[in-house]
Amino acid sequence: DSGVTQTPKHLITATGQRVTLRCSPRSGDLSVYWYQQSLDQGLQFLIQYYNGEERAKGNILERFSAQQFPDLHSELNLSSLELGDSALYFCASSAAEAPDTGELFFGEGSRLTVL
Amino acid sequence: GENVEQHPSTLSVQEGDSAVIKCTYSDSASNYFPWYKQELGKGPQLIIDIRSNVGEKKDQRIAVTLNKTAKHFSLHITETQPEDSAVYFCAAYKGYSTLTFGKGTMLLVSP
Repeated sequence: DSGVTQTPKHLITATGQRVTLRCSPRSGDLSVYWYQQSLDQGLQFLIQYYNGEERAKGNILERFSAQQFPDLHSELNLSSLELGDSALYFCASSAAEAPDTGELFFGEGSRLTVL
Repeated sequence: GENVEQHPSTLSVQEGDSAVIKCTYSDSASNYFPWYKQELGKGPQLIIDIRSNVGEKKDQRIAVTLNKTAKHFSLHITETQPEDSAVYFCAAYKGYSTLTFGKGTMLLVSP
């Protein structure tokens, strides 16, 4: 158990809908990362927050947004969903601001299926 | 941005054999290279990492080597066991950037 909690574990929805994925980091970790994992693309970095502030941004679509709250949990919002958004979404947390100064601990992921 | 290529995409070995997974990166400024193991139904977990000022690092049955000139690094697993079966990801990072992952290698160790 990594200590990172992601909910829901599974989510099935229809195209055009909006969903929210939630992540609770390990106790004390200030950094939260979001990754998208699909079969053909591997782990794609979406966005990172550190202590409530956006620190780094990857290839995150404009239809996607995220935030980190004062209690350090984070939410990833996906809107106007398309079939291609079906994937496993991982949250990872770290005590450090940068990936090379603190290990990333991954949750078990939220599997999103868009029908 | 950084691009990380990982080979092979699948690797099957017999228990007790060695396994080698190779990665290349594009940005010569990258200086941190972690390896993650993802077991079925779980999130990736860090197993070993290496920095650009080191050529090799070992931890029991696993080792990582780095060739900065050629911009490639490799994961070596000796005396493989069935519990080593998983998907392995390499990654590269440079300061003020993002951790970029390879597409993963599915390792299957047969008893």
